[in-house]
Amino acid sequence: DTAVSQTPKYLVTQMGNDKSIKCEQNLGHDTMYWYKQDSKKFLKIMFSYNNKELIINETVPNRFSPKSPDKAHLNLHINSLELGDSAVYFCASSLGTGSSYNEQFFGPGTRLTVL
Amino acid sequence: GDSVTQMEGPVTLSEEAFLTINCTYTATGYPSLFWYVQYPGEGLQLLLKATKADDKGSNKGFEATYRKETTSFHLEKGSVQVSDSAVYFCATFYGQNFVFGPGTRLSVLP
Repeated sequence: DTAVSQTPKYLVTQMGNDKSIKCEQNLGHDTMYWYKQDSKKFLKIMFSYNNKELIINETVPNRFSPKSPDKAHLNLHINSLELGDSAVYFCASSLGTGSSYNEQFFGPGTRLTVL
Repeated sequence: GDSVTQMEGPVTLSEEAFLTINCTYTATGYPSLFWYVQYPGEGLQLLLKATKADDKGSNKGFEATYRKETTSFHLEKGSVQVSDSAVYFCATFYGQNFVFGPGTRLSVLP
């Protein structure tokens, strides 16, 4: 009964490759997010979607492209991977974006290692 | 822009010691405030939250009070356990933006 799930849990790949990380939530939430956590544990928001529409798009390279086929899924595709992309990527969801609905539920993370 | 500052870790305590992790924020409005906890190898979990000034959030023996005058939301626990060893994140939410602090690693020794 995992609330927010991500696949894969670990991803090791070569520089220059293209890879995707999938995220699914079964909580019925309207809003989903992608975060990047670096080696020092600093957590930075990358994207946010509300009902399949992009609402937050922080300054990330355009090699990163989120895709939301429906409001329960938010996938992250990364082109031309670079060494600096190595991090743990977390997906999260919340009921909505208003102040009463903003508790975020996080997935277990995907550790991406670029060699 | 909005930002969150936390005391630098790591914080190392003995079991049953008193814990304080400081958190201060800057925000353009009146944000909701959160503490999240990340256990080793896991995602973040909400620990507690407060949505307006003077609110106290509490959970699992942890407490934090929303102090508007000092823009702070310090986390406290009276007696820590080994199982509390984790990374703790302070966060603000205003508008549509979540902003997380850099995290504070807590290690509790038996």
